[in-house]
Amino acid sequence: EAGVTQFPSHSVIEKGQTVTLRCDPISGHDNLYWYRRVMGKEIKFLLHFVKESKQDESGMPNNRFLAERTGGTYSTLKVQPAELEDSGVYFCASSQAAGYEQYFGPGTRLTVT
Amino acid sequence: RKEVEQDPGPFNVPEGATVAFNCTYSNSASQSFFWYRQDCRKEPKLLMSVYSSGNEDGRFTAQLNRASQYISLLIRDSKLSDSATYLCVVNRGSGTYKYIFGTGTRLKVLA
Repeated sequence: EAGVTQFPSHSVIEKGQTVTLRCDPISGHDNLYWYRRVMGKEIKFLLHFVKESKQDESGMPNNRFLAERTGGTYSTLKVQPAELEDSGVYFCASSQAAGYEQYFGPGTRLTVT
Repeated sequence: RKEVEQDPGPFNVPEGATVAFNCTYSNSASQSFFWYRQDCRKEPKLLMSVYSSGNEDGRFTAQLNRASQYISLLIRDSKLSDSATYLCVVNRGSGTYKYIFGTGTRLKVLA
């Protein structure tokens, strides 16, 4: 069974540019989560989808971040315009049901210069 | 104060040693608890869930003490391949299923 996949693995952009990250969850997992780790800090929650609906977006830092999950399959996370403090590793995770173990993708390392 | 606290280490132990990590959490309503392992520049990987009755998986034993709000992980007969960062993770439940992560404890097993 394929795990969670994320694309791209790395992205380097300039401040003010736009970046879109993609996550494909494990097949059949309705629950999809986005997390972020900035340097020197712990991994922090961004938001949670159940199918195509946002269940919890309490961790989204501001309105420069837009997450979508059209059709309830893969998800995208767009940052527009990117700021220096957005640099970090963005992880996606999925679970079979809410409250069950979450399985993480390899992450996208975003560097904003 | 962080919601999930871990000693960052590093813990440097010889091969074959037994090592224990503790983690404390502040939200008494937390419902699920996990240990994840993270290798350098990789994603967190589920090591084991933690139950009130305690659970064991080979050389690894996890315990949960709800009264004192701490979680422990014991690794017996350490292997070189156990070198990694161990993340304590708490899920609050009750309508939110987000993970709350500790900063992780670094373990280095020495030959």
